[in-house]
Amino acid sequence: DQQVKQNSPSLSVQEGRISILNCDYTNSMFDYFLWYKKYPAEGPTFLISISSIKDKNEDGRFTVFLNKSAKHLSLHIVPSQPGDSAVYFCAAKYGNNRLAFGKGNQVVVIP
Amino acid sequence: DTEVTQTPKHLVMGMTNKKSLKCEQHMGHRAMYWYKQKAKKPPELMFVYSYEKLSINESVPSRFSPECPNSSLLNLHLHALQPEDSALYLCASSLGRPTSYEQYFGPGTRLTVT
Repeated sequence: DQQVKQNSPSLSVQEGRISILNCDYTNSMFDYFLWYKKYPAEGPTFLISISSIKDKNEDGRFTVFLNKSAKHLSLHIVPSQPGDSAVYFCAAKYGNNRLAFGKGNQVVVIP
Repeated sequence: DTEVTQTPKHLVMGMTNKKSLKCEQHMGHRAMYWYKQKAKKPPELMFVYSYEKLSINESVPSRFSPECPNSSLLNLHLHALQPEDSALYLCASSLGRPTSYEQYFGPGTRLTVT
């Protein structure tokens, strides 16, 4: 049973426009959420995180929004750049050190 | 510095071989992890070491044997693997404190079992 779901497996966006990635979760015990970016043949790179007690966290071009009542979070990238083309994973923390990952979204930024 | 290093980058081994994967971090992190990732799938947790002690083993077959010689190093010893064990093996580390959960990943070792 997948507890973290990322639908719409791929997204194409024009350079300079906004990329929005969505993530839904089912386990209300998740208390911390993270987004990772992954290039082919590399390990995931941590991007941004948010605690369940907050509804927004911003870091440069990246903003994560959390809607606890809907069990939904989203990642906004603005403006999108060609170097943002990668697979993006949503992850949720549970227990002491466990992360549950979504299946990932492929983002392609068109120059 | 948020770097986790892994060696080797690529490894091809036969089913009767014994090999080891190595991981190193110098960020003062006290939790270290091994993940396995198949193509187009999310990473799957295998082991967690917290303060150099094995704290989580996700029912991984005994042909995978982790070792944490010190707080900066993590090894994964491989023996009698199967072709289905071919995957990207990722090491990660985190501070290990209750208020900091970000895990930082290494580049991975691409393992092929023939």
